[in-house]
Parts: sequence; C-alpha cells; structure tokens
Amino acid sequence: QKEVEQNSGPLSVPEGAIASLNCTYSDRGSQSFFWYRQYSGKSPELIMSIYSNGDKEDGRFTAQLNKASQYVSLLIRDSQPSDSATYLCAVIDILTGGGNKLTFGTGTQLKVEL
Amino acid sequence: NAGVTQTPKFQVLKTGQSMTLQCAQDMNHNSMYWYRQDPGMGLRLIYYSASEGTTDKGEVPNGYNVSRLNKREFSLRLESAAPSQTSVYFCASSEYWGSNTEAFFGQGTRLTVV
Repeated sequence: QKEVEQNSGPLSVPEGAIASLNCTYSDRGSQSFFWYRQYSGKSPELIMSIYSNGDKEDGRFTAQLNKASQYVSLLIRDSQPSDSATYLCAVIDILTGGGNKLTFGTGTQLKVEL
Repeated sequence: NAGVTQTPKFQVLKTGQSMTLQCAQDMNHNSMYWYRQDPGMGLRLIYYSASEGTTDKGEVPNGYNVSRLNKREFSLRLESAAPSQTSVYFCASSEYWGSNTEAFFGQGTRLTVV
C-alpha cells in the first residue's frame, strides 16, 4: 500500500465552481500535511500546510484534516483557469533518530474549464 | 533568497555514462531529499537524508547513490546511466519545528539518457 494516495484525475470543474481534492495516508503517526501545486514543467510550490484536525483557510483555499480517518482534503473556491495544475498531497513524518521524511502522493490533475 | 539550488538544469547522457546532480540549500534545514518525477507517477523518493551524516533509501533507489556532503549539500550520483533513468529530478529540503514545518524544492533537472 502506497503511503499517500490520491486520485490521479483529471478532475474537471467549471470556472467559478468549488474544486475538491482528496488524499489519504497510511501512517497514523504522520505529523504534518501539505498541498503543493505544480504547473507543467515547473517545480512544486507550497500552497497550504495543516497540522491540526479541522479546517485551515487561506484566501480561496481551505485545507481539511481528519487524523482519525487519515484524510486530508483541499477545497478551491471560485476556481479559475489559472488553478489548472497538478495538486500534490504530501506528508511529513518525524523520525525517531532525528530529522524528517517527506512523502508525496501521485498528484491529482485539475482542469478548470471556461 | 536562494532557497534550494540544484544543478544542472538540463543534461543529456549516453547509456553507461556517469554524472552527479548537485543540490544545496541555505535555509539550515536538517532533512534533504532526491525525487524523480515521471509522467503519471507523481514524485517518487529516491534517497533522503534525515539529518547530516545519515542517508536512507526511498522508494526507487536502484541505480543511484547519494552523499550528504555537509548540512547544506546533498548530491545524487548515477554511476552507469540507463534510459530508464530519463526523468525530471527534484531536490528538496525540509525542517520540522512543530507547527512551523516547511519544505521547499529546487527547480529540477531534466535528464535524458540516450
């Protein structure tokens, strides 16, 4: 079982709609969770991080974390064509020997249609 | 404001040639990573270094070696390149400070093995 799972998509939504991206993870001890956006040919860029159960909002983006269900989601309100990209879910684990380990899902491709 | 710097940006190798990808970060992060990204496969972890002086295999380590030269630098070596290693390679670094976890990427190296 892969440590971080995402639906590869593509997920298509009309402009102005809410896009909902989902991610599950296998390690109950995972500490922190990230959403990255990656445009074609570019490196991933961090858009949201979340550490506690519940919702975290930043502009049009809301990250949701449910540690009991091992589930992380990203909502994008008022989706714009510029939001069309691949969204990567990532989990960071704190290692007993020190340092941390960052693991990614395969990403979900989002297409926002005019 | 360099963040994570990796070189080179592009490289073409012949099968059997060797090369080293260089990565340096100036954020005083303890953990560093090398990923490869292939179409539809997301970011797959090759090797990581949780802290200076340690390295560990990730999901796809075969055909690669790494060196954590110091806290800033983490290199990836291909001893005998194969066409299957044609990919985009990303270096990243991270640090966990409780609620202030962060992780950043380099710009990527596009490697073609012919």
